Amino acid sequence: AQSVTQLGSHVSVSEGALVLLRCNYSSSVPPYLFWYVQYPNQGLQLLLKYTTGATLVKGINGFEAEFKKSETSFHLTKPSAHMSDAAEYFCAVSDADYKLSFGAGTTVTVRA
Amino acid sequence: GAVVSQHPSWVICKSGTSVKIECRSLDFQATTMFWYRQFPKQSLMLMATSNEGSKATYEQGVEKDKFLINHASLTLSTLTVTSAHPEDSSFYICSASFRGPESASQYFGPGTRLTVL
Repeated sequence: AQSVTQLGSHVSVSEGALVLLRCNYSSSVPPYLFWYVQYPNQGLQLLLKYTTGATLVKGINGFEAEFKKSETSFHLTKPSAHMSDAAEYFCAVSDADYKLSFGAGTTVTVRA
Repeated sequence: GAVVSQHPSWVICKSGTSVKIECRSLDFQATTMFWYRQFPKQSLMLMATSNEGSKATYEQGVEKDKFLINHASLTLSTLTVTSAHPEDSSFYICSASFRGPESASQYFGPGTRLTVL
């Protein structure tokens, strides 16, 4: 069974500061890992994903994440926060049938 | 590419009525569609998985007679909430995927806000 833990339900950063969102997973199979962003009253948009290959994954809007198997982690980072980054972020892991298990989500607020 | 739409975007209905929500893949053929439910400030909970032409597979605890899912074509899946009650009020989101190297990726619709009075 797959599960995801997102550490910190709320992260507040200053504009221009580093954004770091933590995600740890458990999986009985080699994991596929995802980060999604959700703006209010909207669906989810894929930021980036790890399936195989390079463990440092670059996504849209300047985000990147690193898969660390030894730490069972897939933390999301962005070097410099922008006001438009304020949203809800979900980490997810998929199983062999490609069903997604989501973390509880992290709300990001950006201070001017 | 990989755009998924949902209709309606919001709906208000009276208790006891049925509501149908459509999920369409606009520019690809979706071999699998997923339906999720999201309560305010919570994560997404998978309700069911549907493959074109076959019966949906429901997650544990989801009433299949209450949440009817039809995936009649490779571009359309529908979720019907039958005899809706206020506790069914929620944000319903669908996603779609297709076979191939990107099978692991799901593309999400914008969601449907259901309010049952």
